[in-house]
Amino acid sequence: DAGVIQSPRHEVTEMGQEVTLRCKPISGHNSLFWYRQTMMRGLELLIYFNNNVPIDDSGMPEDRFSAKMPNASFSTLKIQPSEPRDSAVYFCASRPTSGTDTQYFGPGTRLTVL
Amino acid sequence: GNSVTQMEGPVTLSEEAFLTINCTYTATGYPSLFWYVQYPGEGLQLLLKATKADDKGSNKGFEATYRKETTSFHLEKGSVQVSDSAVYFCALRGTGNQFYFGTGTSLTVIP
Repeated sequence: DAGVIQSPRHEVTEMGQEVTLRCKPISGHNSLFWYRQTMMRGLELLIYFNNNVPIDDSGMPEDRFSAKMPNASFSTLKIQPSEPRDSAVYFCASRPTSGTDTQYFGPGTRLTVL
Repeated sequence: GNSVTQMEGPVTLSEEAFLTINCTYTATGYPSLFWYVQYPGEGLQLLLKATKADDKGSNKGFEATYRKETTSFHLEKGSVQVSDSAVYFCALRGTGNQFYFGTGTSLTVIP
């Protein structure tokens, strides 16, 4: 299996632009998580889905952030409009249905908002 | 609520030195405990885990024992290598699906 796939790996954009980050979880995994990592705040859970349904989005910073999971093999995290303080590494992780409570992380998307 | 506290870094050690990274947790119920490792430019990878009290997780020479009485899950390795240089995260999974991560401890091993 290719593991969790994220795209793009790097994104540089200007303040005010819309940014869309993409994630393909490991096939067969039914839970998906979006995290943000910064030097100041460490690793923060933004939102997670179970069977494509958002379960907890209390970590989403504000209304500029939105996440969707239209099917079991794809999720997006959108920031509109983006701001310089959104600059961070965004990780997607997935977890299998049963048998283990381990999360598997993607390589991350490094976002820079100028 | 659930939370994880781990020792702040950065930690710098010479090759073959003994490593301890402290981790304590607060949780309701009986969480599973994890150590994840993040190498430069990569995502987090599971290093080891323990699912109940007194369990010992081990992998690649690293060990951690789930201590319920002290609510701790300290990471240890007897002899570190340069290739162990990375950021280490302690985490717990409580009831439900959510993970709680510590802030990470950066380890640099010098030859």
